[in-house]
Amino acid sequence: DGGITQSPKYLFRKEGQNVTLSCEQNLNHDAMYWYRQDPGQGLRLIYYSQIVNDFQKGDIAEGYSVSREKKESFPLTVTSAQKNPTAFYLCASRTTGLSSYEQYFGPGTRLTVT
Amino acid sequence: KNEVEQSPQNLTAQEGEFITINCSYSVGISALHWLQQHPGGGIVSLFMLSSGKKKHGRLIATINIQEKHSSLHITASHPRDSAVYICAVSSGSRLTFGEGTQLTVNP
Repeated sequence: DGGITQSPKYLFRKEGQNVTLSCEQNLNHDAMYWYRQDPGQGLRLIYYSQIVNDFQKGDIAEGYSVSREKKESFPLTVTSAQKNPTAFYLCASRTTGLSSYEQYFGPGTRLTVT
Repeated sequence: KNEVEQSPQNLTAQEGEFITINCSYSVGISALHWLQQHPGGGIVSLFMLSSGKKKHGRLIATINIQEKHSSLHITASHPRDSAVYICAVSSGSRLTFGEGTQLTVNP
């Protein structure tokens, strides 16, 4: 089955540690996205990538880093510079054809930093 | 003011009721999306539309481009419809999301 996988589902870290969230897709999609979701707020874009070896900052990129070495993988690192990292993180992907606005979402990773 | 506004924020209904969730946006868009998020957190796409009306089972989505407004209707609501419903708009390669509407349908 095609889809997006994120692992782990729940992640706990101590303050000051970097942590990397995994996102893999086998949909052959060109574009991939990372969003953050906080209670009572809409999803906010952290980073996105429209092609391998290229990515752009979203609205809240500070304290995060990404890489896109392979088409199917777009890992997100939450660094110790992120002031409030506890949140629900969602990865998404889509094709980049003319009528390809629909994004497909992964199941999410809930990160708790104490 | 958010670019995408949803109402209501919370909605409680009895099983069988007709439900409407509204979405207004203030930017130019390529398409509007209705998404569903269940308590586990995963998000599924219900509709993507750029004009008119779409229907899938008990769900109906409409959009009025001139008024920059969309509605999601659920007919004969059921407890399994309980979820957060999110409106999002496409502009270029990005989506902008509303804050979501928490729907609870009681038996």
